Amino acid sequence: AQSVAQPEDQVNVAEGNPLTVKCTYSVSGNPYLFWYVQYPNRGLQFLLKYITGDNLVKGSYGFEAEFNKSQTSFHLKKPSALVSDSALYFCAVREISGTYKYIFGTGTRLKVLA
Amino acid sequence: EAEVAQSPRYKITEKSQAVAFWCDPISGHATLYWYRQILGQGPELLVQFQDESVVDDSQLPKDRFSAERLKGVDSTLKIQPAELGDSAMYLCASSSTGEHNEQFFGPGTRLTVL
Repeated sequence: AQSVAQPEDQVNVAEGNPLTVKCTYSVSGNPYLFWYVQYPNRGLQFLLKYITGDNLVKGSYGFEAEFNKSQTSFHLKKPSALVSDSALYFCAVREISGTYKYIFGTGTRLKVLA
Repeated sequence: EAEVAQSPRYKITEKSQAVAFWCDPISGHATLYWYRQILGQGPELLVQFQDESVVDDSQLPKDRFSAERLKGVDSTLKIQPAELGDSAMYLCASSSTGEHNEQFFGPGTRLTVL
C-alpha cells in the first residue's frame, strides 16, 4: 500500500534562510507526488507535483522539490524563506492504480521567524 | 480563476442532529472528493466520485454518513445523527480526469458538534 511520511511536526527557520520540509514515500511502481500548503481555516492549495522527468520540480511561490528515487524522498525547498510562508505543508502520493486516490502525510507546520 | 465552492463555512450543531454540507466543484471536473480533516492532521478521504458514481467510499462511516452527486456536478455530504467525534473540517476537492492531475480544494466547512 502507498504511504507518505513527514517526519517533522514543525520546522522553524529564520526569514531569509533556506528552508526544507521533508517527505518520504512508499509506493509500488513509479510515484505521483504532490505538495500542498494550508493556511489557517482554509482549504489546501496545490504547490507542485512530480510525475516523471527532471528530479527538480519548480512550483508556486518560489517553492521547489527534489525527487530522489534511491532515498524515496520528495523534500520541499525554498532558497529564501518569507514570514508569509508560515503555514501547514502536506506531502501526498497518488495511487497509480485502482481508484487513484490521494494519500496525505500528517503535515509539517512551518514557522518562519522575522 | 475558477474555485471549488463549499457551504456553509462554519456549522455548530448538537449531537444527534442532522447536518449537511454542499460542494460545487470547478466546472468540468469529473472527479469530486470529500475529505475529513481533524485538527493538526492530514485530510482523510471519505468518498470519491467519478461523475455521479461512487468509486471509493471505503472510509465513509455508512451508518451515519451519506454522500450524493446526483447529476455529476455538485455534491452533498450528510451526517445523521452527528456525534461529538465528528467535529472536524470537511473539505471538498475536485480534479479533471487524468491520473497526473492535481486536486483543487474548497475552503472547507468547520463542523463543531456540542
